Amino acid sequence: AQSVAQPEDQVNVAEGNPLTVKCTYSVSGNPYLFWYVQYPNRGLQFLLKYITGDNLVKGSYGFEAEFNKSQTSFHLKKPSALVSDSALYFCAVRDKGNTPLVFGKGTRLSVIA
Amino acid sequence: ETGVTQTPRHLVMGMTNKKSLKCEQHLGHNAMYWYKQSAKKPLELMFVYSLEERVENNSVPSRFSPECPNSSHLFLHLHTLQPEDSALYLCASSQELGSLSGANVLTFGAGSRLTVL
Repeated sequence: AQSVAQPEDQVNVAEGNPLTVKCTYSVSGNPYLFWYVQYPNRGLQFLLKYITGDNLVKGSYGFEAEFNKSQTSFHLKKPSALVSDSALYFCAVRDKGNTPLVFGKGTRLSVIA
Repeated sequence: ETGVTQTPRHLVMGMTNKKSLKCEQHLGHNAMYWYKQSAKKPLELMFVYSLEERVENNSVPSRFSPECPNSSHLFLHLHTLQPEDSALYLCASSQELGSLSGANVLTFGAGSRLTVL
């Protein structure tokens, strides 16, 4: 069965510093990986996805994620954090086209001015 | 607005009440989902509908009853709930349930915050 782990409940970073939100996954075949963000009182919004090809994926709002097959990881990164990036971030995975996404428990990112 | 609208945004109900959550999507999508979001827990997939047919029911208690009358509307009927059912219930839609690339992106509504007293 597919699963995803987000080892950190909370990540704190100063504005202007680089940020990383960690995600590791487990699937039986090739993974399809996603990051979503949830701002207060809102639903989840799609940020980026990895399906195949280049291991570095670029997404919305300057975010990117690197797929690492050997480490089964898909960490979310941004070179320079903004206070407005403060939100709850979810990693998700599926292993086949017809299986629904499996989400992690989320990591709360707090960017401090 | 994401194109997926959930009502009501907030609901407080007693354990003996019957209420319903509504979800409507204006995106022309064919698949719709109910997720349960509880603090510090992974999002729990509850139900999946594809072209108005239920294709997934993740061992959800029968006190939750979904209904999908057409591809644009999804309901979650609630009755005799327990306090531990208090959570944010998220509706989502996608263009189709699956594709050869598995690349479907979910579009979420803002959620219905349910409190069971």
